[in-house]
Amino acid sequence: GAGVSQSPSNKVTEKGKDVELRCDPISGHTALYWYRQSLGQGLEFLIYFQGNSAPDKSGLPSDRFSAERTGGSVSTLTIQRTQQEDSAVYLCASSLARNTDTQYFGPGTRLTVL
Amino acid sequence: SQQGEEDPQALSIQEGENATMNCSYKTSINNLQWYRQNSGRGLVHLILIRSNEREKHSGRLRVTLDTSKKSSSLLITASRAADTASYFCATDVWSGGGADGLTFGKGTHLIIQP
Repeated sequence: GAGVSQSPSNKVTEKGKDVELRCDPISGHTALYWYRQSLGQGLEFLIYFQGNSAPDKSGLPSDRFSAERTGGSVSTLTIQRTQQEDSAVYLCASSLARNTDTQYFGPGTRLTVL
Repeated sequence: SQQGEEDPQALSIQEGENATMNCSYKTSINNLQWYRQNSGRGLVHLILIRSNEREKHSGRLRVTLDTSKKSSSLLITASRAADTASYFCATDVWSGGGADGLTFGKGTHLIIQP
């Protein structure tokens, strides 16, 4: 595609429910990143994929968060048993390769946990 | 703590004037990137400057990097109302092992008065 796409654009859920956020990177980009932007924390890095593997998951805020990437393309970020503090904009980015490449961001998914 | 810290936090100038934003960081970097964000969504990549570069230009944008002072500046010349946005610097400290992703500052909110 022309750019990084994310779905849904907005998600409102009730506390305790699970949510799944999707990211479609730019075609041919091997590296994919998830970030979260909230009022209190600013922009924070969550996880990075090179191909289908994520070498370091320590950026995920808690064990309720998980992410996977299949076929070296689409990625999903899953949040289980959502809490109100999970409310944020979740941004996905991709780059051609990992080392020192420009990251291109999608429009984000605004998650609101009631 | 934030790797990148933008200064000032907010800047309001008249259309046609130049706008300068500064960014300081703490650790050695591979590259530094500047992004623009409108209305809390959609980060738009502006410029990437590598650690061995001192200055880059792109249209009305000029970025400098001083690795000895661990600082960068973004200059927007002949500002326009459409330049109103939040501007973030982001540092890439990838070491080849784990993945840190980009580390963002809190941003400078720029307002161009018509």
